[in-house]
Formats: sequence, C-alpha cells, structure tokens
Amino acid sequence: SQTIHQWPATLVQPVGSPLSLECTVEGTSNPNLYWYRQAAGRGLQLLFYSIGIDQISSEVPQNLSASRPQDRQFILSSKKLLLSDSGFYLCAWSLMGTDYGYTFGSGTRLTVV
Amino acid sequence: GDSVTQMEGPVTLSEEAFLTINCTYTATGYPSLFWYVQYPGEGLQLLLKATKADDKGSNKGFEATYRKETTSFHLEKGSVQVSDSAVYFCALSNKGYQKVTFGTGTKLQVIP
Repeated sequence: SQTIHQWPATLVQPVGSPLSLECTVEGTSNPNLYWYRQAAGRGLQLLFYSIGIDQISSEVPQNLSASRPQDRQFILSSKKLLLSDSGFYLCAWSLMGTDYGYTFGSGTRLTVV
Repeated sequence: GDSVTQMEGPVTLSEEAFLTINCTYTATGYPSLFWYVQYPGEGLQLLLKATKADDKGSNKGFEATYRKETTSFHLEKGSVQVSDSAVYFCALSNKGYQKVTFGTGTKLQVIP
C-alpha cells in the first residue's frame, strides 16, 4: 500500500535561518507531488507541484523553493525564513490521470520567531 | 479559472443534529468533486468524492451529490457526533486530475 511520510512534525526557526522540509512517498511510482501551506485560520495555498523529477511548477512567488531529487522525494526549502513563512505545511501526492484525489502527509507546523 | 466557494464557519451544532455544509464551484468541463476532512493538528483525509453529474459520494454517514445544474456539492450528515468536529474542505479536480482546487474550509464544532 502507498504511504506518505513528512517530517519534521514541528519546527521552530529564527527569522533569517534556512529551511528544509522533506516528503517521501512509498508504494507507488511517478507520483504527482504537491506542497501546500495553510496559514492559521485560512485555507490551503498551493505552493509547488511536480509531475516529474525535472518538472516543478511554482504557484506563488516567494522566498521558498522546491526540489525533487528522486522520483518519490519532494523537498521544500528556503535560504532565509521570514515571519510570514509561519504556517502548517502539507505535502500530498496523487496519480496522474486518476480521480483518487490527493493523499496528504501529516503536516509540519513551522513557527518562525 | 477554477474556483470553489463554501460556506464560512464556524458551524456549531449539538450532537445528533443534521448537518449541511454548502459548496458551489466554477469550472470548465466536467470536474471531479471531493470533500476532505482535517482533524485538529493533522493532514487532510479524503472523505468522499463524485466524478460525474448526479453521482452521490458517501462515507462514514456523510453524503454529497454532484449537481451540475446548480454547480453544487453540498455535504450532509443526518446525525453528527462530537467526533465529527473538524475542518471540512470542498475541492474540485480538473485538467486530468493534475491539480486540485480547494475551498477555504468550514470548521464544524459539535457540542454534547
């Protein structure tokens, strides 16, 4: 069966520090991968999505970046965090051409102080 | 572009009350529609889905019917429980399911 792992679960980082959040999927090949951010009391904002190793699309211009070093690994990074980067970050995967919807990871609570 | 509009919360109900959370959408073509649920501190889970007009998705006592004529996908449950307290997201998937568009979420609180 397919599983998705996301870590860390919580993170407190000072302003200006770097960020690296990791997400891996097991039990499937060539998944579509997504990073979402959920600010406190707000909905989901799509940050990046990837349909292949060298295919990453950015939805919102910001100081975050994403990389996909392996087929089932998706990394969200920042060189210098801002206070506004605080939020709940969710990784998700889906299969191209299917209507199974997304499967989400358990999320990372990031607080920038 | 595609969009999803759902009723603002929070919605507060007593246990065993009837629940309706309204959701309408705007999309080209024939999207698939979903309801996701997010329990406190967790990621989202797929609750139910419908892939074509007049389909009814159901799970855990929740139901929603894909109404193309009114572009709606309202979530209903006949008798809510305290354990149903969560945030509910309506969503649609278009363009070969490559991207899902989410509504802003509706927080449900069920009190004993």
